[in-house]
Amino acid sequence: GAGVSQSPSNKVTEKGKDVELRCDPISGHTALYWYRQSLGQGLEFLIYFQGNSAPDKSGLPSDRFSAERTGGSVSTLTIQRTQQEDSAVYLCASSLGVLGQFFGPGTRLTVL
Amino acid sequence: KQEVTQIPAALSVPEGENLVLNCSFTDSAIYNLQWFRQDPGKGLTSLLLIQSSQREQTSGRLNASLDKSSGRSTLYIAASQPGDSATYLCAVLGGGSEKLVFGKGTKLTVNP
Repeated sequence: GAGVSQSPSNKVTEKGKDVELRCDPISGHTALYWYRQSLGQGLEFLIYFQGNSAPDKSGLPSDRFSAERTGGSVSTLTIQRTQQEDSAVYLCASSLGVLGQFFGPGTRLTVL
Repeated sequence: KQEVTQIPAALSVPEGENLVLNCSFTDSAIYNLQWFRQDPGKGLTSLLLIQSSQREQTSGRLNASLDKSSGRSTLYIAASQPGDSATYLCAVLGGGSEKLVFGKGTKLTVNP
């Protein structure tokens, strides 16, 4: 597709369950990013993938959060044992060099 | 640590007015600065990207300027329209870091 896509668009889960969020970047973009936007908060960096290099995980809030990127394309963000404070919009972006980051529509996660 | 501040936090104007949104950042060692628009419940739409070597970029009724040495950027919107109502976010990509650092945004309302 022409843009970054994310699925699902909305996810409601119960506290303690695991969830997986998916991101398809723009074709040819070598870098992929995950951000989180919580109610009343700004956008918070989570993790960054660049080509085959080790990912920058410095923004992950706890060890319940992990992400992988298969074949240099699709990425999955996994949150284990979800907590209510994990409720947020999770945004994925991709880029090529320093030509700007392009964002997907986001996944709205609600933990009950 | 890079910090990005946007002023004002909210702005309400009548249709047709020209307006300026402000963004400041604390570390001038940036690769680029990007302005985004976010509609309620949606992802981020990239409006303008200014590389560190550039002073301004224009797209239609939008003009963004960058003064890297003073750590400031402005987004100028000419002849505002109700469809311009959204939250406008400024983000910088810092030297040595691949993650965008965002301001908290300016919520713009253009009244018909």
